[in-house]
Amino acid sequence: SQQGEEDPQALSIQEGENATMNCSYKTSINNLQWYRQNSGRGLVHLILIRSNEREKHSGRLRVTLDTSKKSSSLLITASRAADTASYFCATDAYSNYQLIWGAGTKLIIKP
Amino acid sequence: NAGVTQTPKFQVLKTGQSMTLQCAQDMNHEYMSWYRQDPGMGLRLIHYSVGAGITDQGEVPNGYNVSRSTTEDFPLRLLSAAPSQTSVYFCASSRTGYSGNTIYFGEGSWLTVV
Repeated sequence: SQQGEEDPQALSIQEGENATMNCSYKTSINNLQWYRQNSGRGLVHLILIRSNEREKHSGRLRVTLDTSKKSSSLLITASRAADTASYFCATDAYSNYQLIWGAGTKLIIKP
Repeated sequence: NAGVTQTPKFQVLKTGQSMTLQCAQDMNHEYMSWYRQDPGMGLRLIHYSVGAGITDQGEVPNGYNVSRSTTEDFPLRLLSAAPSQTSVYFCASSRTGYSGNTIYFGEGSWLTVV
């Protein structure tokens, strides 16, 4: 069963706009990670947020975590064409050795 | 620094054939894993290893076999390929198995079973 579920499944915005995608999960976690996957490539780590953190920033990325709602959001500000990719969240609900991955949000940035 | 290297990139197999997907990492990571990625689904863990000589099953281990004789290598064997194993396979590694570590992925192996 899927622990992390991203929402929306697909998102198309104009270059320069902000993109927000969400991840919901079912059980308590220690860590939540976000990854990016360009078409035909492997996944690349973006940011990790721990259960005792509420917000983290990395460049144009902002991640929030609401453990009471069991959800996280990834905000990409001032989007660029190069941000076109699929974005996945992963959580560690069941085991430190087995991350559970969502199905991803496909983000398309229109020039 | 090569990171995680997977071969082959593409492979077509006939039903019943066996093959091995190779994976190597040069970061001295303890933890290595194999995932499969199917359309509309998240990554699903097939097998993982927390160190040389130690392997364990993930969520979808049936039809696959692994071994870890060295820290660097973690091959995935398909014992008797089935069309349901048509997928994209990713090898990944991290410093340890702790969920707070960054995971490094290979570029993927596209497998088609006909």
